[in-house]
Amino acid sequence: NAGVTQTPKFQVLKTGQSMTLQCAQDMNHEYMSWYRQDPGMGLRLIHYSVGAGITDQGEVPNGYNVSRSTTEDFPLRLLSAAPSQTSVYFCASMRTVNTEAFFGQGTRLTVV
Amino acid sequence: KNEVEQSPQNLTAQEGEFITINCSYSVGISALHWLQQHPGGGIVSLFMLSSGKKKHGRLIATINIQEKHSSLHITASHPRDSAVYICAVKSSGGSNYKLTFGKGTLLTVNP
Repeated sequence: NAGVTQTPKFQVLKTGQSMTLQCAQDMNHEYMSWYRQDPGMGLRLIHYSVGAGITDQGEVPNGYNVSRSTTEDFPLRLLSAAPSQTSVYFCASMRTVNTEAFFGQGTRLTVV
Repeated sequence: KNEVEQSPQNLTAQEGEFITINCSYSVGISALHWLQQHPGGGIVSLFMLSSGKKKHGRLIATINIQEKHSSLHITASHPRDSAVYICAVKSSGGSNYKLTFGKGTLLTVNP
């Protein structure tokens, strides 16, 4: 049982490049989400999904796209990377609304 | 004012000491999470609670819904407990999925 698998662990992008952060869970969880973690701030919600085919915006969605074609996968796409998107990104999943949250190992992204 | 406030922001202790980290929140909630993050590492769920008290090994989490306050206690602290401890709440209104996070408490336990 792998839990939440998030790749890559580290990434350096040039301004304007695009990339996809991958997130997969094998626990058949309904809820998946992407957060970013910046120094001095709590984790902030980028996008979330309550099931396959259903996504919605969080607090800081600008510059990011998501899709949920299967229950297992929830990729996060950076369309045109900007230095302001330098951060640590975490994917998380929950079985239902009021259950334990499982997090991926994080992706440290630097945009130069 | 943040919806979730943690105190202290930083805490240094000697091995063996009893540790308390506090979390206060300003909204009605349906659940509160305590999470642990080691430096450069991932985030691990320690507890999820909506009332009362939970215990796992040397860790104890309590919540007082009326006072909108939760505490995380570590008994007989050890250097491996050094980490950032994060409180997060799921509000009972609005988006049913959104977690709101505190900024974390950095705990350093010296041998």
